[in-house]
Amino acid sequence: EAQVTQNPRYLITVTGKKLTVTCSQNMNHEYMSWYRQDPGLGLRQIYYSMNVEVTDKGDVPEGYKVSRKEKRNFPLILESPSPNQTSLYFCASSWGTGLESPLHFGNGTRLTVT
Amino acid sequence: GENVEQHPSTLSVQEGDSAVIKCTYSDSASNYFPWYKQELGKGPQLIIDIRSNVGEKKDQRIAVTLNKTAKHFSLHITETQPEDSAVYFCAASNPGGSYIPTFGRGTSLIVHP
Repeated sequence: EAQVTQNPRYLITVTGKKLTVTCSQNMNHEYMSWYRQDPGLGLRQIYYSMNVEVTDKGDVPEGYKVSRKEKRNFPLILESPSPNQTSLYFCASSWGTGLESPLHFGNGTRLTVT
Repeated sequence: GENVEQHPSTLSVQEGDSAVIKCTYSDSASNYFPWYKQELGKGPQLIIDIRSNVGEKKDQRIAVTLNKTAKHFSLHITETQPEDSAVYFCAASNPGGSYIPTFGRGTSLIVHP
């Protein structure tokens, strides 16, 4: 089954403790991206990647890092999480650039930073 | 950059009624307009999309219309059912611009049985 898999689904951590949210897709998509969803703000892009070793900032990149060492994986790294990063996070992939083809989303990771 | 406004933020209808969600965009060069449905506890899922060379597209009870002159597009759901209850997002993107598709803030649709 074609899918985007994120782990974990739920994560509670404390301020400053480094964490990684994993994302993997099995559709051989070149484009992958991370979004955060906050009430009243919709979906805002954090980082995106056009291909292996090619990443770029989205609208809200501060406090996040990503890497794209393999085509299928695109982990999101929070080196020193803060409470304002408490949010619902989605990974997405697309066969095109993400601009003229639909995005396939994972089921989300709900992160709470205390 | 692109700016997408989506209205209403909440829409409540009776089963069987029609529902319309509207979005406006600012970048006249945008030419791809997808709509996503997000059910509780899941990620958004594409339900229909339209490109700028088309004015209307239908898929069973769902249709999308695009007015490029006015820079707005709308999602129409006819004969609504309780399972249509979800959050709906519109988006706009310009392949010649930045690689960041822009989303509206979402519409929570509630269909009462």
